[in-house]
Amino acid sequence: LAKTTQPISMDSYEGQEVNITCSHNNIATNDYITWYQQFPSQGPRFIIQGYKTKVTNEVASLFIPADRKSSTLSLPRVSLSDTAVYYCLVGERANNLFFGTGTRLTVIP
Amino acid sequence: GAVVSQHPSWVICKSGTSVKIECRSLDFQATTMFWYRQFPKQSLMLMATSNEGSKATYEQGVEKDKFLINHASLTLSTLTVTSAHPEDSSFYICSARDPRGRSYEQYFGPGTRLTVT
Repeated sequence: LAKTTQPISMDSYEGQEVNITCSHNNIATNDYITWYQQFPSQGPRFIIQGYKTKVTNEVASLFIPADRKSSTLSLPRVSLSDTAVYYCLVGERANNLFFGTGTRLTVIP
Repeated sequence: GAVVSQHPSWVICKSGTSVKIECRSLDFQATTMFWYRQFPKQSLMLMATSNEGSKATYEQGVEKDKFLINHASLTLSTLTVTSAHPEDSSFYICSARDPRGRSYEQYFGPGTRLTVT
């Protein structure tokens, strides 16, 4: 399994763009990168998944460089309700089950 | 969107007793469900994969005789913590994939907080 490394915590002011980077140096050819969001005492919620280059949806963007050894989750204009833990997972597309340590994002008014 | 529920949302039991946690897919059928455990301030740890109509697949280090999983129907998986001890106190979360949509997206239940006294 590809090991992932994320910052333990980040702070950001409301309205700013937040970028959370995940390192996965030994990612395999068949591996995808998936991000989940988790609020306290709730189950995680899927945010985005990508394989290479850039993926964008209605809530976030995912940037993956050519070597795929890292990825960056970008949250545009965060609000207080974005305060949560963000997890980066690396694994087969339909079998991405192992959570990393997560990044605790705190959005400050 | 796909909805996964869990029951109960929290439970307190005495050491040595058993407790059952239910995981249901409310609007879709799930041949496979997953059970996770999460200790405070820690990440989710995959415990087992629950397969409808067959035995569960347990991750290394997870005692299958202690954490009994039964996936008797396409919408229900149960996790029974047998002979619970205080160290089993944790947040238990199940998930499933909706075959109608993105095969790679897991839908998580709201979790069950177990406290063993």
